Amino acid sequence: EIVMTQSPATLSVSPGERATLSCRASQSVSSNLAWYQQKPGQAPRLLIYGASTRATGIPARFSGSGSGTEFTLTISSLQSEDFAVYYCQQYNNWPSVTFGQGTKVEIK
Amino acid sequence: EVQLVESGGGLIQPGGSLRLSCAASGFTVSSNYMSWVRQAPGKGLEWVSVIYSGGSTYYADSVKGRFTISRDNSKNTLYLQMNSLRAEDTAVYYCASRGRDGYYFDYWGQGTLVTVSS
Repeated sequence: EIVMTQSPATLSVSPGERATLSCRASQSVSSNLAWYQQKPGQAPRLLIYGASTRATGIPARFSGSGSGTEFTLTISSLQSEDFAVYYCQQYNNWPSVTFGQGTKVEIK
Repeated sequence: EVQLVESGGGLIQPGGSLRLSCAASGFTVSSNYMSWVRQAPGKGLEWVSVIYSGGSTYYADSVKGRFTISRDNSKNTLYLQMNSLRAEDTAVYYCASRGRDGYYFDYWGQGTLVTVSS
C-alpha cells in the first residue's frame, strides 16, 4: 500500500495570506495525485488532478505542483470560504487508491 | 447536472447487514467506474470498493469477503451490500465516480451515515 503523508496537520493562516500544504508518498506515484477540499458536513470536492490540473470551476488561486513523491498545494490568497480540510490522494496504484490524513486550514 | 444521492444508512448491530444505494441522475452509472469511499467520524477518507464499467469489482482488504458492490442499470443505481458489520465499519459512506483523465473522484454524493453499535 502506498502511504500518503500530509503536513502540517493544521495550518493557521490569516485571510489574504498564502497557504502551502505538503503531501509525500511512500513511493513514486508519478503525477497521479489529486487534491480535495472538504468542509464540515459536506462531501469532498475535487480541486486538482494530475498533480497540477485544476478541476472545472476551481479558482486560479489554487495551484498544485510536484511529481514522484513530493507534492504541494498552494492557495495564493486565502478567502474565507477556503478554510477547510484538504486531502491528497494517489491513484497510481489503482484500484487501491489511498488518501493522506488531511491538513486543516484554519483562521489565524 | 450530475447528482449522486446515497441512502440506506442507519444504526445496525454488530454482525448485522445493510444495503446502501446511490441513485444517479445526469450520469450513467454503467458507463463509469463507480466507487464507495468511507470516512469514519473525525477521520480521513478510505476507499472501499469499485465496480468497473465492464463489471469487474475490487475491494479494500478491510471489507473483502463482507461487502459486495453492484449496480442496477435499469435504475441507474449503485449498491453496497454490507454483511458481518463491525464497529470499525462505522462511517459516512460516499459514492463517487472516476474522473475522465484518471482514477481520482470527480463527482461525489452527499454521503450516508452507517453506525454499527449494540
